[in-house]
Amino acid sequence: AQTVTQSQPEMSVQEAETVTLSCTYDTSESDYYLFWYKQPPSRQMILVIRQEAYKQQNATENRFSVNFQKAAKSFSLKISDSQLGDAAMYFCAYRSDGPGFYNFNKFYFGSGTKLNVKP
Amino acid sequence: SQTIHQWPATLVQPVGSPLSLECTVEGTSNPNLYWYRQAAGRGLQLLFYSVGIGQISSEVPQNLSASRPQDRQFILSSKKLLLSDSGFYLCAWIRVVGEAFFGQGTRLTVV
Repeated sequence: AQTVTQSQPEMSVQEAETVTLSCTYDTSESDYYLFWYKQPPSRQMILVIRQEAYKQQNATENRFSVNFQKAAKSFSLKISDSQLGDAAMYFCAYRSDGPGFYNFNKFYFGSGTKLNVKP
Repeated sequence: SQTIHQWPATLVQPVGSPLSLECTVEGTSNPNLYWYRQAAGRGLQLLFYSVGIGQISSEVPQNLSASRPQDRQFILSSKKLLLSDSGFYLCAWIRVVGEAFFGQGTRLTVV
């Protein structure tokens, strides 16, 4: 089974600074999706950014960007110009794009990184 | 657009009491629906998933069950709650191609 590892349980960043959250995953598949989800104190899961494995270009969404290293199975999230509203738990997630319903739709989540933003 | 409704938002139940959490989806048909549980400060554990009415698959053995009585309705139940059932429960709809969308979650405390 695929595994997703977030080795940083908690991180802190100064407001307006840049922070990078790490994620590694283990898979033997070649086609898959990777995601970063944000869970603020309200606990609503919010999609931050997604990356298709077949795309070489790193995804970017405003202040959020990823560094996708397929060979290294690494998928880090960079948050630029950090804001107080960025404080949340961040989860890295993997989804297979392979054949068969079970693998095709199952999401694997990391254990999360709690991001603190200091004013 | 697609939305997921999940209720109740908060629930406090005594040990041994029954449980029923409901999730409904709007804006799509025949969705693939999932129940996840999140323990405090932890990641998400997949409990059940369903590809259609009456079709339920369980990921881990437990005190809970799930049902899919209608196309866009997914219910998480228990006949007798245990203390260990406490946690945060999330319903999700996962697109055939792409990301997961989550409900607002239910915080369950078993006392």
